[in-house]
Amino acid sequence: NAGVMQNPRHLVRRRGQEARLRCSPVKGHSHVYWYRQLPEEGLKFMVYLQKENIIDESGMPKERFSAEFPKEGPSILRIQQVVRGDSAAYFCASSTRLAGGSDEQYFGPGTRLTVT
Amino acid sequence: DAKTTQPPSMDCAEGRAANLPCNHSTISGNEYVYWYRQIHSQGPQYIIHGLKNNETNEMASLIITEDRKSSTLILPHATLRDTAVYYCIVRSASGAGSYQLTFGKGTKLSVIP
Repeated sequence: NAGVMQNPRHLVRRRGQEARLRCSPVKGHSHVYWYRQLPEEGLKFMVYLQKENIIDESGMPKERFSAEFPKEGPSILRIQQVVRGDSAAYFCASSTRLAGGSDEQYFGPGTRLTVT
Repeated sequence: DAKTTQPPSMDCAEGRAANLPCNHSTISGNEYVYWYRQIHSQGPQYIIHGLKNNETNEMASLIITEDRKSSTLILPHATLRDTAVYYCIVRSASGAGSYQLTFGKGTKLSVIP
């Protein structure tokens, strides 16, 4: 009974490199959410995806950040040309989006990105 | 805009009930109250949610006042493993923004031996 899986758990990148964060949702869940947690702060919503569709990316920076959730395979959060301010914990969550909107989001363990 | 207000920290003796309050005086009729917790840098863990009625599951009980302006999360027998930051979140059942969880600062619960 696997929960949400994220990899890598820790990622170190130099400034200017690309970071790719992967998220495999709970089996049967077709809705994925990405959140970012800066040091000593609460989680902030970034993007909500269904299979092959971005539903809401209002919390994601307009430049350098992108997300996808292909028909096959995990969801990917991509950060191009990373800067030190991107250092944070990135959490993925998934849900079934039950009818009526009362759904629970289940979170993965997170990927801790450090930009040097 | 903060939709919920929680005390920044609380202590609870091990084995006693932990009662965590949350004010949500501007809650609307179709908004749920959710509780999550985050144990030291781990991913947030879903605890419980409710709309109008009190709810209970294997982890906790949720008591919502009749006017729905406040609620209390009850951990019946707190253990050291319950030490965490607890987040009370108000979330719409439908419409724009209904799918995202808005985390505030939460309450840091320390369970003391």
